[in-house]
Amino acid sequence: NAGVTQTPKFQVLKTGQSMTLQCAQDMNHNSMYWYRQDPGMGLRLIYYSASEGTTDKGEVPNGYNVSRLNKREFSLRLESAAPSQTSVYFCASTRALELYEQYFGPGTRLTVT
Amino acid sequence: AQSVTQLGSHVSVSEGALVLLRCNYSSSVPPYLFWYVQYPNQGLQLLLKYTSAATLVKGINGFEAEFKKSETSFHLTKPSAHMSDAAEYFCAVSETGGGNKLTFGTGTQLKVEL
Repeated sequence: NAGVTQTPKFQVLKTGQSMTLQCAQDMNHNSMYWYRQDPGMGLRLIYYSASEGTTDKGEVPNGYNVSRLNKREFSLRLESAAPSQTSVYFCASTRALELYEQYFGPGTRLTVT
Repeated sequence: AQSVTQLGSHVSVSEGALVLLRCNYSSSVPPYLFWYVQYPNQGLQLLLKYTSAATLVKGINGFEAEFKKSETSFHLTKPSAHMSDAAEYFCAVSETGGGNKLTFGTGTQLKVEL
């Protein structure tokens, strides 16, 4: 089991460029999440997908879009990157909506210049 | 709305000393509470969780936490710190019926000194 995998590990973008962060899990989990981590702010939820075919906004969704491609994969897209989106992005998954721990990927470190 | 406050963004202890990391939460419904650890350049790993069973919860690596409803606290402790415990620790809350959306505290960086 690879668990939760994320690609790429590092990325540098110029302001206005677009990119997609990929996330996949092999644990047959129903729910998947995207967080961003900024110094002194902990992790903040961007979007989540309770199950295949559904997505919902989290605390900080502006400037992002997501796609739940299938049960395994959940991608995060930045259409027009801004310096404020410089952050470390984590994908997580969990078996069901309640009670179960979330399993985190290793993160993508994104810098927007 | 749920929220988490972690007192002390940096905590330093000597090896062998007690570790105490503080977490207070706010929730309008019975909460689920979690402690996660993050080692440098890695993702988060679950240490322990409280889901309304026993109020004293034991986790991995010798850590434990006690849920105190009257104090709205879920402090993390370890009797004897080890150098390998140096990491960042996050407390998180999820409300029952809240779709397992976690709200994280701002984190506490634990430093262990010889």
